[in-house]
Amino acid sequence: QTVVTQEPSFSVSPGGTVTFTCGLSSGSVSTSYYPSWYQQTPGQAPRTLIYRTNIRSSGVPDRFSGSILGNKAALTITGAQADDESDYYCVLYLGSGMWVFGGGTKLSVL
Amino acid sequence: QVQLVESGGGVVQPGRSLRLSCAASGFTFSAYGMHWVRQAPGKGLEWVAVIWYDGSNQYYADSVKGRFTISRDSSKNTLYLQMNSLRGEDTAVYHCARDCGGDCSYALDIWGQGTMVTVSS
Repeated sequence: QTVVTQEPSFSVSPGGTVTFTCGLSSGSVSTSYYPSWYQQTPGQAPRTLIYRTNIRSSGVPDRFSGSILGNKAALTITGAQADDESDYYCVLYLGSGMWVFGGGTKLSVL
Repeated sequence: QVQLVESGGGVVQPGRSLRLSCAASGFTFSAYGMHWVRQAPGKGLEWVAVIWYDGSNQYYADSVKGRFTISRDSSKNTLYLQMNSLRGEDTAVYHCARDCGGDCSYALDIWGQGTMVTVSS
């Protein structure tokens, strides 16, 4: 069974830069997995940030960026703000109609 | 505006069934694939199922395969999830979400607020 891995938690200072990653239990993540990223605050529906590796969804500030770093997908926040404190999830399309979410990364801004 | 509104959640005993609905508005429902995603209390998001824009294909996570059925009625702009043989581990908030489609296929771009399903005796 394929597992999508994310760091459980991260902390960043206001104004700082943080990069989360999204990997596979076996193999490398490439653009062929169409990685996308979502932000979720408690009690709210997820918000789409990035799709197809590095394309920002409408209305998403340009301090959010996506990429492939090594063998993983990555989400970078440049100039973190207090309201970026949220859970962040990646999802990969594995093909054959199957998607898998990572376990999520909890970001603290302090 | 573009909106998805889920309904049908509640408390159900193990082994029983429940049907969730997701009412879509503000976009051409029949042009988009649709997903169900769930989130157990205090846990992360879990992809559950997808149905193609025309209903021609449905795919499921291994955890629900054979028990859950996703369907859609484009005349009613509504997505469904029929859940049978429910288990305690199915307890979660269930969100419907739109597949972005076109140049942003394979991403989920519009999400509903979710409906809570509690499986308990």
